[in-house]
Amino acid sequence: AQSVTQLDSQVPVFEEAPVELRCNYSSSVSVYLFWYVQYPNQGLQLLLKYLSGSTLVKGINGFEAEFNKSQTSFHLRKPSVHISDTAEYFCAVSGPNQAGTALIFGKGTTLSVSS
Amino acid sequence: GAVVSQHPSWVICKSGTSVKIECRSLDFQATTMFWYRQFPKQSLMLMATSNEGSKATYEQGVEKDKFLINHASLTLSTLTVTSAHPEDSSFYICSARDLSVPYNEQFFGPGTRLTVL
Repeated sequence: AQSVTQLDSQVPVFEEAPVELRCNYSSSVSVYLFWYVQYPNQGLQLLLKYLSGSTLVKGINGFEAEFNKSQTSFHLRKPSVHISDTAEYFCAVSGPNQAGTALIFGKGTTLSVSS
Repeated sequence: GAVVSQHPSWVICKSGTSVKIECRSLDFQATTMFWYRQFPKQSLMLMATSNEGSKATYEQGVEKDKFLINHASLTLSTLTVTSAHPEDSSFYICSARDLSVPYNEQFFGPGTRLTVL
């Protein structure tokens, strides 16, 4: 069975500082990995995804993530955050050979950016 | 990009009434739609997988008679919360898979906030 662990429930940072949101997964098969962002009372927006190929994935809003198979991690990073990045971030995993399989989400990390 | 809509965006109802939430894929066909539930400050929990033209598959612990799911077309799935009670108050989010996308990315609706008084 697959699972996702987001290691930090809350991450407070100051504006323009770098940030890393950590995500580890467990799976016995190859996976696809996703990071989503959720603003208050809204649905989820895809930030980036890893399917195959280059382990460094670049997404929207200046975010990037690196897939590390040996450490089963997919940490999200941004070199300089803005107040507008304050939101809930979810890491998710799905198996590539399971058609129609829903995503499995981590518990989420609240990123709070202050000035 | 692929767009998924939900209607209504919020609803308040009295205990004992039924509420229907619609999930539509606006610019693509979705053979599979998923319904999630999210409590405040918590993650999304999968409730059921909805396949067009067949019965939904419910996750363990989700009452199929209480949460009725219908997926009558490739662009529409509905979730009906029957005889709603205050404990059913939650944020319900649907997602849909785009058939033309060869991997398991899902596109999410904006969510429906249900409050049962």
